[in-house]
Amino acid sequence: AQSVTQPDIHITVSEGASLELRCNYSYGATPYLFWYVQSPGQGLQLLLKYFSGDTLVQGIKGFEAEFKRSQSSFNLRKPSVHWSDAAEYFCAVGADAGNMLTFGGGTRLMVKP
Amino acid sequence: DSGVTQTPKHLITATGQRVTLRCSPRSGDLSVYWYQQSLDQGLQFLIQYYNGEERAKGNILERFSAQQFPDLHSELNLSSLELGDSALYFCASSVGDGTYEQYFGPGTRLTVT
Repeated sequence: AQSVTQPDIHITVSEGASLELRCNYSYGATPYLFWYVQSPGQGLQLLLKYFSGDTLVQGIKGFEAEFKRSQSSFNLRKPSVHWSDAAEYFCAVGADAGNMLTFGGGTRLMVKP
Repeated sequence: DSGVTQTPKHLITATGQRVTLRCSPRSGDLSVYWYQQSLDQGLQFLIQYYNGEERAKGNILERFSAQQFPDLHSELNLSSLELGDSALYFCASSVGDGTYEQYFGPGTRLTVT
């Protein structure tokens, strides 16, 4: 069975600083990987996805993620964080059959002014 | 706005009761997924329907059931409710059955008292 680990439960960065959120997955085959963001009281919004091809994928809101098979990682990055990026971020892996998603525990991002 | 709608937004009910949560997928999407988000379990996949047929089951209790109707909307039925069923229930939809991104609704917050 697949699993996802997000090692950092909380991260605080200053506005304008760069950001990297870590995600490690465990899955036997080629994974389908996703990052979602959840603002307080909101649903989950898809930031970006990796299915195949170029291992550096671009998403919405200036986010990007890099798939590294050798490290079983799919870390999310942003060069300059804005106060509006404060939210909870979830990494997920999709299984082949039906693509049910297995989520990590989430990383809560706080942005200091 | 993802295009996925869920009703009601909030639901407060007593232990032992039964409730129905409703989801309308994005226009054109044939797959509907249900997820439960709770503080202790995180985000967990419950069940998937594709074009009216059950396709995948996750950690769904026997007290819970779901169906997808010919117009593709879906309902999640929760019965004999317990305090531990209090959670945020998300519906997501995707265009097909397999490697497709899922778009999430705003969720239904269920409180069991």
